[in-house]
This record gives sequence, structure tokens and C-alpha cells, in this order.
Amino acid sequence: NAGVTQTPKFQVLKTGQSMTLQCAQDMNHNSMYWYRQDPGMGLRLIYYSASEGTTDKGEVPNGYNVSRLNKREFSLRLESAAPSQTSVYFCASSEGVWAGNQPQHFGDGTRLSIL
Amino acid sequence: RKEVEQDPGPFNVPEGATVAFNCTYSNSASQSFFWYRQDCRKEPKLLMSVYSSGNEDGRFTAQLNRASQYISLLIRDSKLSDSATYLCVVSYNTDKLIFGTGTRLQVFP
Repeated sequence: NAGVTQTPKFQVLKTGQSMTLQCAQDMNHNSMYWYRQDPGMGLRLIYYSASEGTTDKGEVPNGYNVSRLNKREFSLRLESAAPSQTSVYFCASSEGVWAGNQPQHFGDGTRLSIL
Repeated sequence: RKEVEQDPGPFNVPEGATVAFNCTYSNSASQSFFWYRQDCRKEPKLLMSVYSSGNEDGRFTAQLNRASQYISLLIRDSKLSDSATYLCVVSYNTDKLIFGTGTRLQVFP
């Protein structure tokens, strides 16, 4: 009964380092999403993948890249981490082609600090 | 103007009280509406979808007013465990959901 699994749960990086956040879902959902959540800002969409093989930019894509590896997995990469990317990152998934009509299921987040 | 606006609160209510939150949205083409609950430092979880005719799930009632472009959440007989942040979520025929920043509820004994 895993749902959406994110790794790692915590990470501290130095400015300029790179890393990849992993996300996997076992619900056979078509659509997957990456959000960041900052105090007072709410959830902001970074990138999403409406279906396997497609990815699109969200509200705040700069400094990030994504890969939809297969239907289950959707990774988020920071190529050169900056302190402004310190945040809590959530991966989510939803079923159906018109994912906007479907609720999203979230992983339990990755807390990322960049020094 | 933000696409989805909520009063951040906090709403401090005693156990057993009834409390209501409103959320306004700016896009009249919005089609799907949800309330999510987020506990401190945890992931958002779907509380309930909001249907045009309004809907109820136990102590929780959600209403949609398309003319005034707002949705509401009513919680009856508040429990300590209801303490959380409630996120209003809207979508308009796209693959994306638009999240409000949330309303914080604190229920005290």
C-alpha cells in the first residue's frame, strides 16, 4: 500500500552541487507532478508529466529538469543547486487523461536544504 | 490577483464548535474543486471533492457557488484531530491543479 514514494526524505547540499530526487507510484496513474512548498507561498508546480513520454513546465521550472523514466517513475534533477531552492519538494500522481479533474495523491516529501 | 485565495487564519475554535472556511477563485472557467488537508510538515491529503450541488462527508460539508466564484468547507463538531491546514484546490480543464496557500485551523480543548 505504498502509493507515492519519494527518496530521499532529507538532504543537505552545498551551493553548486547536483542531485536527483526520485519518485515512484504504484497506482498505475498516468500523470505525475513535482511541487515545491515554501512558507507563505503554498504549493507551486515545478514540472509535470501528463502521461508517459511527456513532460511540461509548471509555474517555477527554472533550475530544474525532469525525466519520466516510465509510467511509475518521475525524477527531478537540480543541476547546480542554489540556496533559493531550499524547500520541501512533493511528488504527486493522478489517474486519467484529464488529470485536472482528478485528485492528486502525494508522497511524503523531500526536505532539501542548500547551504 | 492570486488564482485561488484563502484566509490564512489561524482559526482557533473549541472542541465541538462549527467552523467554516471560504475560498475564492478568479477563473470562471474553473471546473474541478477539492479540499485538501495538510498536517504540519506532512504531505497534503485529499479531504473531499466539491460538487456543484454541494456534498457532505460525515462532519464535513463542501459547497460551491459558481456565480460568486467561491467554495466553502464547513466542519461541524470540531475535534482536536481536525487541527491542520486546509487547502482549497481548483482546476480548469487542464492537467494542473491550482492550490491555495491554505487556512490554518487550531482546535483547542
